[in-house]
Amino acid sequence: KQEVTQIPAALSVPEGENLVLNCSFTDSAIYNLQWFRQDPGKGLTSLLLIQSSQREQTSGRLNASLDKSSGRSTLYIAASQPGDSATYLCAVVSLGGGSEKLVFGKGTKLTVNP
Amino acid sequence: NAGVTQTPKFQVLKTGQSMTLQCAQDMNHEYMSWYRQDPGMGLRLIHYSVGAGITDQGEVPNGYNVSRSTTEDFPLRLLSAAPSQTSVYFCASRGPGPYNEQFFGPGTRLTVL
Repeated sequence: KQEVTQIPAALSVPEGENLVLNCSFTDSAIYNLQWFRQDPGKGLTSLLLIQSSQREQTSGRLNASLDKSSGRSTLYIAASQPGDSATYLCAVVSLGGGSEKLVFGKGTKLTVNP
Repeated sequence: NAGVTQTPKFQVLKTGQSMTLQCAQDMNHEYMSWYRQDPGMGLRLIHYSVGAGITDQGEVPNGYNVSRSTTEDFPLRLLSAAPSQTSVYFCASRGPGPYNEQFFGPGTRLTVL
């Protein structure tokens, strides 16, 4: 059974700092990995999608890497801003029980202090 | 494109009542799914559909029914609401094949008294 773990569960940093969020998964047989952002009381916004054959994806100040063999992904946020404060979720699509499954981690709650 | 839309945004039910959570997408996506999000539990898959007329159970299907008569709509029905179904419900869709990006709706916050 695929399990996704995100460490740390919460992170507080001063504005301007570069930071890394971690995601690990137990089964390396994945189709892709997706990072989401969730603001309080809101839905999930897709940030980056990394296919299983890719090593990284970049969007603005965000860079996500994928090491499928070790079951790890990182989300790097450069020059953090208070507006980056949110919960960040990692999810993998894997094949389990004959059907694809999107399995989520429990998220990292990020607070960027002005 | 409106993307994935959900109604209502908030709902309060009494135990035993029934209701339908609506979900629609305008991206012509074949795959649609329903999740619930609970504190400490993360997001869990309730039901999913790979196309009109085809649905299947996810991780936590008990107490919920779905049907898919059109590509655009994927309603979730609570037949007899229970307090354990108090949660935030999200609908999602994606293009064909498991390599595609998932898009989520804004959610429905349901409270069952």
